[in-house]
Amino acid sequence: EAGVVQSPRYKIIEKKQPVAFWCNPISGHNTLYWYLQNLGQGPELLIRYENEEAVDDSQLPKDRFSAERLKGVDSTLKIQPAELGDSAVYLCASSLGGDSYNEQFFGPGTRLTVL
Amino acid sequence: QKEVEQNSGPLSVPEGAIASLNCTYSDRVSQSFFWYRQYSGKSPELIMSIYSNGDKEDGRFTAQLNKASQYVSLLIRDSQPSDSATYLCAVIRGSNYKLTFGKGTLLTVNP
Repeated sequence: EAGVVQSPRYKIIEKKQPVAFWCNPISGHNTLYWYLQNLGQGPELLIRYENEEAVDDSQLPKDRFSAERLKGVDSTLKIQPAELGDSAVYLCASSLGGDSYNEQFFGPGTRLTVL
Repeated sequence: QKEVEQNSGPLSVPEGAIASLNCTYSDRVSQSFFWYRQYSGKSPELIMSIYSNGDKEDGRFTAQLNKASQYVSLLIRDSQPSDSATYLCAVIRGSNYKLTFGKGTLLTVNP
């Protein structure tokens, strides 16, 4: 079974530029998550989707971050404009469902460096 | 008080020993508990999940949960150098089903 796929793996941009990350979850997984991980910290949730619906985006900085999951499968996370403090690893995860018993599996992540 | 707390380590054990990793959580209504392993430069990999009090064993790994003490642990028997990684404890609480992670414990297994 293929795991969660993310691209790109690495991205270096200058501040104020836009950037987008793509995620393809494990086949059959209805719930998709975007997390942010800073060095030395655990991942922190940005947004959770149940199929096409964003059911928890309370931690997403909506002034510059946006996300979509138009057909309930792939998802894109965008930052516009990027700031120096956005440098981090952006992780996508998926699970079969959204309840507390569903295990979440992570993709390889996108390491973003903002110069 | 932080929601999920772990000793950051590093925890150093000799090869073949038992490594014991500990985690406490603040919210009594926490429902589900997970251990992830993260190698340097890689993403978290799920190694154990536990939902009820007691022990759960999977190969060399044993997760222990004590909800009364708000404590969850991971034991790694016959530790190998390949077990050297950061171990993240994660908890789901409430109806938002959000994973809340600790900062992780760095484990080093010395040959």
